[in-house]
Amino acid sequence: DAGVIQSPRHEVTEMGQEVTLRCKPISGHNSLFWYRQTMMRGLELLIYFNNNVPIDDSGMPEDRFSAKMPNASFSTLKIQPSEPRDSAVYFCASSLETGGNTIYFGEGSWLTVV
Amino acid sequence: GENVEQHPSTLSVQEGDSAVIKCTYSDSASNYFPWYKQELGKRPQLIIDIRSNVGEKKDQRIAVTLNKTAKHFSLHITETQPEDSAVYFCAAPGSSNTGKLIFGQGTTLQVKP
Repeated sequence: DAGVIQSPRHEVTEMGQEVTLRCKPISGHNSLFWYRQTMMRGLELLIYFNNNVPIDDSGMPEDRFSAKMPNASFSTLKIQPSEPRDSAVYFCASSLETGGNTIYFGEGSWLTVV
Repeated sequence: GENVEQHPSTLSVQEGDSAVIKCTYSDSASNYFPWYKQELGKRPQLIIDIRSNVGEKKDQRIAVTLNKTAKHFSLHITETQPEDSAVYFCAAPGSSNTGKLIFGQGTTLQVKP
């Protein structure tokens, strides 16, 4: 299996622009997670889906952030409009079941907003 | 609430020494405790995990211990090597053992040759 696949790997964008990050979970996994990693705040869970349904989005910073999972093999995290403080590494991860199963991370999307 | 505290934030040891990282969690219903290793510029990767029905688990030079009463668990690395240098994260499930994992703040381990 190719693992969790994220794109783009790196993105530099100007403040105010829309950013869309993409994720393909491991085939057969039914839970998908979006994490954000910064030096100051560590690894923060933004949102997670189970069977394509958003279960907990309490970590989404504000209305500028939105996430979708239209099917079992694809998810997006969108930031509109982007701000410099959104600069971070965004990891997508997936797992087979909820409640105590290993989650596997993608390589991450390194976002810089200037 | 959901909270995972990890200590220390940085740890420096000499090659061959042992390293211990500790985490505490808040939800007494939590039943799964993984540890991830993240090398510079890479993704976090699972190195060992433990479930609440056991108190200790070993895998070669790494071990994890769990104290459910005190709600803490620890990572032990013996005979450390320079390639063990990385950031280590503990994690515990969110409330009600839902699918999400809450991560500790991370420990930067430096193994000096």
